Amino acid sequence: ETGVTQSPTHLIKTRGQQVTLRCSSQSGHNTVSWYQQALGQGPQFIFQYYREEENGRGNFPPRFSGLQFPNYSSELNVNALELDDSALYLCASSWGTSVYEQYFGPGTRLTVT
Amino acid sequence: AQRVTQPEKLLSVFKGAPVELKCNYSYSGSPELFWYVQYSRQRLQLLLRHISRESIKGFTADLNKGETSFHLKKPFAQEEDSAMYYCALTTGTASKLTFGTGTRLQVTL
Repeated sequence: ETGVTQSPTHLIKTRGQQVTLRCSSQSGHNTVSWYQQALGQGPQFIFQYYREEENGRGNFPPRFSGLQFPNYSSELNVNALELDDSALYLCASSWGTSVYEQYFGPGTRLTVT
Repeated sequence: AQRVTQPEKLLSVFKGAPVELKCNYSYSGSPELFWYVQYSRQRLQLLLRHISRESIKGFTADLNKGETSFHLKKPFAQEEDSAMYYCALTTGTASKLTFGTGTRLQVTL
């Protein structure tokens, strides 16, 4: 059984660019949730994907979008990057939509300059 | 909307001293509360949840609906308890966690 993995570990982008972050869910899990963690803050819910459909979204603009694939891995896409998008992006996987058994990945650190 | 408040950014205690990490929440319904921990260079992981009423690594937390609090306690701090602790809330039917800003616990000799 493998845990949640995320790629890349970190990256640097320029304001206005687009970025794609990837998450592979833990074996046997069919749900992926994405969180943004700004420096000095707790994680903030972006959205959740369950069986390839968005299932709940936090207070983030439409330029934050996602996908889930048939193997339950997921992508987070951010368009028109802003300086405030600099953060650690966490994904968490689970079986079903409940938060009780969410397992977090190590995160991707995004820096926007 | 729900909100979780952790008033202390840093809590420093001596080894063997009692620990209490404070967490207050605001939500009009019946929330479910969690404590997550992140040790140095490790990923965020669940420590305990109020619905299980369990003690993990000597830590306990009781949900006080009257005071809307869910403080994390341990009678005797250990060096290995040094970590970042986050209190989190879900509304049961929701699929998301709402986190506080976290408290760094530093246990010194």
